[in-house]
Amino acid sequence: SQELEQSPQSLIVQEGKNLTINCTSSKTLYGLYWYKQKYGEGLIFLMMLQKGGEEKSHEKITAKLDEKKQQSSLHITASQPSHAGIYLCGADRRYGGATNKLIFGTGTLLAVQP
Amino acid sequence: SQTIHQWPATLVQPVGSPLSLECTVEGTSNPNLYWYRQAAGRGLQLLFYSVGIGQISSEVPQNLSASRPQDRQFILSSKKLLLSDSGFYLCASTILATNEKLFFGSGTQLSVL
Repeated sequence: SQELEQSPQSLIVQEGKNLTINCTSSKTLYGLYWYKQKYGEGLIFLMMLQKGGEEKSHEKITAKLDEKKQQSSLHITASQPSHAGIYLCGADRRYGGATNKLIFGTGTLLAVQP
Repeated sequence: SQTIHQWPATLVQPVGSPLSLECTVEGTSNPNLYWYRQAAGRGLQLLFYSVGIGQISSEVPQNLSASRPQDRQFILSSKKLLLSDSGFYLCASTILATNEKLFFGSGTQLSVL
């Protein structure tokens, strides 16, 4: 079963509109990572959240981690065509050791219409 | 700064042929290294990770293998490719001391026909 559920799976918005992507886990997240991927390319790191209630922003993108550390949201304000791509959330599966193994959600495909 | 080189960018191989994908890391030493696969329309699946030279851990049983002959080199291989091996393969690296984020290579699109 998928440990990280992302919603929606795909999203089409008009340029200038706001949007939110969600990432949910049934287990406590020790570290939550947001990445963006252009089709056929590698992943670009956006933000990492570790503490319950934490919120980080970069330009027009804001990510939040809930208090229980089981759900995160990525909010884009005034979307632009450059925001288009696949957004992936990843969770740290650290088991007390030094190895950092990230598992990923299924991704959200975002298209922004001019 | 840390960079990851992956090649080739695209590869088309017949079923039953061998495979070798290479990943090298610059700008760091003793990184943890990872191979992920992304099938069409799906998320990333962790295939292998390595914490040091010659140390490989497999996450899922499969037709692939990995090797780490040098500190900053990670190789994904197969003796005989299957159709189901098609996908987008990504190499990633993290620095043991920080463990804050993964750096990804640009990926290899593998099509097995």
